[in-house]
Amino acid sequence: DTEVTQTPKHLVMGMTNKKSLKCEQHMGHRAMYWYKQKAKKPPELMFVYSYEKLSINESVPSRFSPECPNSSLLNLHLHALQPEDSALYLCASSFYSGANVLTFGAGSRLTVL
Amino acid sequence: GENVEQHPSTLSVQEGDSAVIKCTYSDSASNYFPWYKQELGKRPQLIIDIRSNVGEKKDQRIAVTLNKTAKHFSLHITETQPEDSAVYFCAASVSSGNTPLVFGKGTRLSVIA
Repeated sequence: DTEVTQTPKHLVMGMTNKKSLKCEQHMGHRAMYWYKQKAKKPPELMFVYSYEKLSINESVPSRFSPECPNSSLLNLHLHALQPEDSALYLCASSFYSGANVLTFGAGSRLTVL
Repeated sequence: GENVEQHPSTLSVQEGDSAVIKCTYSDSASNYFPWYKQELGKRPQLIIDIRSNVGEKKDQRIAVTLNKTAKHFSLHITETQPEDSAVYFCAASVSSGNTPLVFGKGTRLSVIA
């Protein structure tokens, strides 16, 4: 298996909802990432997990809460989001954190109403 | 921290012509330089990368060159085809520790048939 799988592909939520994005990889990668991508912009790093521990949090608002239950799974819990949080959320993984080949998932397109 | 500048932001070429995208970086410690291609509505995918111990790398119609002294690297696509139309992102990182990739702002390449 050489893929990063993200669910759901599309998500529409209200500002009072709680939802979660899920990411899974079975490549034995020990680093996993969440990126946010707005239209016509590069991916913007949110969080990095290395060996299931949060190693980087790029000053992301607390309405985004990451979780890494095990080495293959990465979640992003969403609560009380704002319309400006609407974006494509990309999960990625690599063998280890740092300069390594990133494999991206197809993304979850989030719309906040 | 690292800063990556990418030019041009948009590029249109006739099918069969060559395309060149240029990036500069600021951190002389950076030693890993990947290029990602993102088609409309798809995930970013690594197309080629180079490490600072080499000056050029080729893969069929794609090549990347690196000038460490000037701190710039370039993507060259020869014999462009319509399927090369996409957004291309360069990135840079230090290959150690916990340093994530820093992306350029992207170049939208259009290949006109």
